[in-house]
Amino acid sequence: EAQVTQNPRYLITVTGKKLTVTCSQNMNHEYMSWYRQDPGLGLRQIYYSMNVEVTDKGDVPEGYKVSRKEKRNFPLILESPSPNQTSLYFCASSLTETYEQYFGPGTRLTVT
Amino acid sequence: GNSVTQMEGPVTLSEEAFLTINCTYTATGYPSLFWYVQYPGEGLQLLLKATKADDKGSNKGFEATYRKETTSFHLEKGSVQVSDSAVYFCALSDSWGKLQFGAGTQVVVTP
Repeated sequence: EAQVTQNPRYLITVTGKKLTVTCSQNMNHEYMSWYRQDPGLGLRQIYYSMNVEVTDKGDVPEGYKVSRKEKRNFPLILESPSPNQTSLYFCASSLTETYEQYFGPGTRLTVT
Repeated sequence: GNSVTQMEGPVTLSEEAFLTINCTYTATGYPSLFWYVQYPGEGLQLLLKATKADDKGSNKGFEATYRKETTSFHLEKGSVQVSDSAVYFCALSDSWGKLQFGAGTQVVVTP
């Protein structure tokens, strides 16, 4: 089954404790992206990757890191999480940036 | 920079009513335009898209036309069902890979 998977689905952590949210796709897509969803703000792009080893900042990259060492994986890293990073996070992939994005199920992160 | 503005919700309708959700955008170049739908507790899924001016995207009875002269991509459906209750997002993609989403419009359809 073609899909984007994210782990974990739910995470509660404390300020400053490094964490990684994994994202993997099995569709051989070139393009991958991370978003955060907050009430009233829609989805905001954090980082995106046009292909392996190429990443670029979206609209809200502060406090996040990403890497794209393999085509299928695009982990999101929070080196020192803060409460303002409490949000619902979605990973997505597509053939290219102009094609349909396939979204993962979301990761609900709470930073206390 | 690019931006997407869509009408605020919630929009509450009776079954079989006509639905319009307005979406306007600001972008340089020639972006691709999308409507995504999010059902409760789920991720987003593509509803329809248009990649150039005057294209009409359609799916499941929904339609939207890419209007470059008015920088709009309004979503319409002639007769909504209870199952259309969801949050709808307008989005654009520029040629450099950045995507912008609108804030989302919640639609509630009552029997």
